[in-house]
Amino acid sequence: NAGVMQNPRHLVRRRGQEARLRCSPMKGHSHVYWYRQLPEEGLKFMVYLQKENIIDESGMPKERFSAEFPKEGPSILRIQQVVRGDSAAYFCASHSKAGSNEKLFFGSGTQLSVL
Amino acid sequence: AQSVTQPDIHITVSEGASLELRCNYSYGATPYLFWYVQSPGQGLQLLLKYFSGDTLVQGIKGFEAEFKRSQSSFNLRKPSVHWSDAAEYFCAVGDKGGGNKLTFGTGTQLKVEL
Repeated sequence: NAGVMQNPRHLVRRRGQEARLRCSPMKGHSHVYWYRQLPEEGLKFMVYLQKENIIDESGMPKERFSAEFPKEGPSILRIQQVVRGDSAAYFCASHSKAGSNEKLFFGSGTQLSVL
Repeated sequence: AQSVTQPDIHITVSEGASLELRCNYSYGATPYLFWYVQSPGQGLQLLLKYFSGDTLVQGIKGFEAEFKRSQSSFNLRKPSVHWSDAAEYFCAVGDKGGGNKLTFGTGTQLKVEL
């Protein structure tokens, strides 16, 4: 059973370009979280999605960032017009059902570098 | 707002020595507390968690942690460290209503000397 798969592992973009980060949750998991880890900081919650629904996006920057988790396919975190401050590691995590006790499974992350 | 402090950025211990990684949290009610480990190039792996009940929690790989409400702490311990334990360790807090919306500390990088 494959774990949470994120791609690409490394993504380099120039300022102003778009970044698309993909996350395929573990098989059978319908709940996805995105976290961002800035240099020298802990992971920060960004958004929580279920299939076709955004449940909590309180950690998402108000502009340029969006996330989706379609009925088919991976979850996508999209960053438009990237800036140097977006350089970070972006982690996706999933679990199988709603509930505080559910164990989160994390992917290996996507390291975004903005030149 | 909840927060987590890991005061030690780097810790070096000798293989076979005991280990304690500190974690302090700020939270209004009884928190859900977690310790995760991240090896280079890997995702975070859950070591252990505390929700309620016994304040001494056993986890995987021989780790344990003790919840001390009076000190707002949840320190991670291991009696004898192995070289393979070298990694970064993150403490996190979540709230009962927030599911897996966690607040993480900045991490402690553990180096193990042979």
